[in-house]
Amino acid sequence: NAGVTQTPKFRVLKTGQSMTLLCAQDMNHEYMYWYRQDPGMGLRLIHYSVGEGTTAKGEVPDGYNVSRLKKQNFLLGLESAAPSQTSVYFCASSGRTPMRWEKLFFGSGTQLSVL
Amino acid sequence: AQRVTQPEKLLSVFKGAPVELKCNYSYSGSPELFWYVQYSRQRLQLLLRHISRESIKGFTADLNKGETSFHLKKPFAQEEDSAMYYCALNGANFGNEKLTFGTGTRLTIIP
Repeated sequence: NAGVTQTPKFRVLKTGQSMTLLCAQDMNHEYMYWYRQDPGMGLRLIHYSVGEGTTAKGEVPDGYNVSRLKKQNFLLGLESAAPSQTSVYFCASSGRTPMRWEKLFFGSGTQLSVL
Repeated sequence: AQRVTQPEKLLSVFKGAPVELKCNYSYSGSPELFWYVQYSRQRLQLLLRHISRESIKGFTADLNKGETSFHLKKPFAQEEDSAMYYCALNGANFGNEKLTFGTGTRLTIIP
């Protein structure tokens, strides 16, 4: 049982290049999230999904796109990378209960540097 | 708007000494508070949730609505407590998309 798996773990891009980060979960979770972690900023939500085929904007969505074509996968895309997108990216997932809150399960992170 | 403040970026404590990681919040409604922890080379994970009122790995945290605080405490620090700790806030009955994280405190336990 791998939980939440992120690929790649590290990536270096040049300004203007594009890339896709993949998040996969094997817990049959409805909800999936993409966060970025920057020094002195904590974790900030980029985009999230409440189910297959749905996506929604989080706190800092500009410059990113996402897709959830399959329930187990949540892709984060950078169409034209900028140095300001240098960060550590975390994917997370959670189940759904009538009480709304469920524990977040995190991936191990992707260190992205944009030169 | 909801906000979480962790005033200490870094905190060093001797092994066996008491630990207190500070967390203050701002929220107009009924809050739910959490502590998440990231140990070296491990994933970020939930440590405890205020509504559960439980002690995990010797840590406790009490929600003080009067002082709008949710400080994390442990009476005797252990070396394995060294980690990055994040306080997080949500409104009661809201999903994780509304979760707000603090900036984190890196705790180092000195042997």
